[in-house]
Amino acid sequence: EPEVTQTPSHQVTQMGQEVILRCVPISNHLYFYWYRQILGQKVEFLVSFYNNEISEKSEIFDDQFSVERPDGSNFTLKIRSTKLEDSAMYFCASTRGQNYTFGSGTRLTVV
Amino acid sequence: ELKVEQNPLFLSMQEGKNYTIYCNYSTTSDRLYWYRQDPGKSLESLFVLLSNGAVKQEGRLMASLDTKARLSTLHITAAVHDLSATYFCAVDIGNYGQNFVFGPGTRLSVLP
Repeated sequence: EPEVTQTPSHQVTQMGQEVILRCVPISNHLYFYWYRQILGQKVEFLVSFYNNEISEKSEIFDDQFSVERPDGSNFTLKIRSTKLEDSAMYFCASTRGQNYTFGSGTRLTVV
Repeated sequence: ELKVEQNPLFLSMQEGKNYTIYCNYSTTSDRLYWYRQDPGKSLESLFVLLSNGAVKQEGRLMASLDTKARLSTLHITAAVHDLSATYFCAVDIGNYGQNFVFGPGTRLSVLP
């Protein structure tokens, strides 16, 4: 069964550093998403991406965040200057229609 | 703004018992999803409910959707320890993106 692949599985970074989280969505999917989940809390929408541009973003997705689909397969989330409160599990998801498939997540720890 | 609530948030039950988790949402939708999450793991899709009255069953879990009441239920029959996890419902009101909203999750512990 097709999967959404995320790398790395765990990243530790110092506060103020830039991080890039990577995702390879399912190849024939058209919509791509990033969600985050602070430990023990709900899953929160960050951003959706369609046709090579952001279609929607939440209040969480401020100027420190950006997304790219640089080569037609990868879908990246960049956090420019990480803060302690960015520590969370970040999930990538993709869909073509009604089924949303989530990746295994990247656990980001900011120290 | 779409709000999704789950009840209960924590559930401890004995093996062999039955129980129901409820998911309420605030805006009309006919697309509702149930996910399971084990600690530190990703979201595993359990059910996709796409119409009023939809009912789906997989093993000891059965999910239903009442779009008029804006309510979905996840019923657990004869619980076993392996069902211990957090269960999330998510509602999609279309147009993709921000309109796919998760509930807060129900943390289920099945005790022997």
